[in-house]
Amino acid sequence: QKEVEQNSGPLSVPEGAIASLNCTYSDRGSQSFFWYRQYSGKSPELIMFIYSNGDKEDGRFTAQLNKASQYVSLLIRDSQPSDSATYLCAVTVSEGGFKTIFGAGTRLFVKA
Amino acid sequence: EAQVTQNPRYLITVTGKKLTVTCSQNMNHEYMSWYRQDPGLGLRQIYYSMNVEVTDKGDVPEGYKVSRKEKRNFPLILESPSPNQTSLYFCASSRSPPPASYEQYFGPGTRLTVT
Repeated sequence: QKEVEQNSGPLSVPEGAIASLNCTYSDRGSQSFFWYRQYSGKSPELIMFIYSNGDKEDGRFTAQLNKASQYVSLLIRDSQPSDSATYLCAVTVSEGGFKTIFGAGTRLFVKA
Repeated sequence: EAQVTQNPRYLITVTGKKLTVTCSQNMNHEYMSWYRQDPGLGLRQIYYSMNVEVTDKGDVPEGYKVSRKEKRNFPLILESPSPNQTSLYFCASSRSPPPASYEQYFGPGTRLTVT
């Protein structure tokens, strides 16, 4: 069973701080990695995607991928109260079908 | 407006009464998928479709059926719903299937309660 693991949190950070969210995955054949944000009662929306080892930056968000360690992370700089949400890590695998596997999510609270 | 629509948004039904949740996208996306979301378990993929007439099982397909007769529509069918299918359901679409896919666009969700 292919798995994606996240710390459920909640992770609480003060406004302006860096929030660090982590995710590990079990399938070495995983090829695409995504971070989605989900506000309570709403649909997930894409924050970042990353395919290659290393860092990818987009505004206040940085995704980091380490395929050797099977680890992907999301850093949120200058955290804002509006960043308070659940962050879902998702991994796509193409072995045995083209599936997408989500982690259970990490709840983030940014305190004003 | 580019969007994924689902209907109904809320549904309360009884065990064994067949139901269909519709999903439609207007972005000409090839890849469509159904997920259920349960507390503590995150999103779990039920079925996905690579294109018209091409569907495959996700991680939790038992008790569900799908069809993809048109590119824009991907209905989810529960032939005989049971209480353990009470959940929040999301339909999603993407321009192309993994690993080439970028963003999955999610519908607003359907909250299903089976009594």
